[in-house]
Amino acid sequence: NAGVTQTPKFRVLKTGQSMTLLCAQDMNHEYMYWYRQDPGMGLRLIHYSVGEGTTAKGEVPDGYNVSRLKKQNFLLGLESAAPSQTSVYFCATQGGNTEAFFGQGTRLTVV
Amino acid sequence: KQEVTQIPAALSVPEGENLVLNCSFTDSAIYNLQWFRQDPGKGLTSLLLIQSSQREQTSGRLNASLDKSSGRSTLYIAASQPGDSATYLCAACQGAQKLVFGQGTRLTINP
Repeated sequence: NAGVTQTPKFRVLKTGQSMTLLCAQDMNHEYMYWYRQDPGMGLRLIHYSVGEGTTAKGEVPDGYNVSRLKKQNFLLGLESAAPSQTSVYFCATQGGNTEAFFGQGTRLTVV
Repeated sequence: KQEVTQIPAALSVPEGENLVLNCSFTDSAIYNLQWFRQDPGKGLTSLLLIQSSQREQTSGRLNASLDKSSGRSTLYIAASQPGDSATYLCAACQGAQKLVFGQGTRLTINP
């Protein structure tokens, strides 16, 4: 039982490059989230989805896009990476009013 | 806007002591309150979830309480062990099951 799997685990990008982070879950959860974690800022919600085919903005959505074409996958895209997007990105899933499950994180550095 | 605060930011205690971590939130309209553990370089692991209608939850040496009226939750760790050393995060769960996190308490248990 893999739970929540994030790929890749590490990535270095040059400013202006694009990339997609993939989150896959095998728990059949409706809710999926993308957070970023920065020193002194804690975890902040980027985008989230309440079900297949739906997405919504969180607290810090600028510079990111998301898609949820399949229930088990939630993709986070950076169209033109900036140094300010250097962070650790976490995907999470939840069922209805239950505990959240997190992936192991993606450490992204933009140079 | 929900704000979650955790005090203290860091705590160091000798092995065997009982300790309390504090979490406060500004908006009492929550579905639940969750406590997580994060080890360095790792994702978040769920410890306890307290529903908004509950006053406390227990798991092994951990006990979490919730007082919605005062906007407070505490995590009690009994008979602390070096393996308990980690960062502990609390999160208030609101609409669309979104979690708003505190900045965490970094706990060190000294042998």
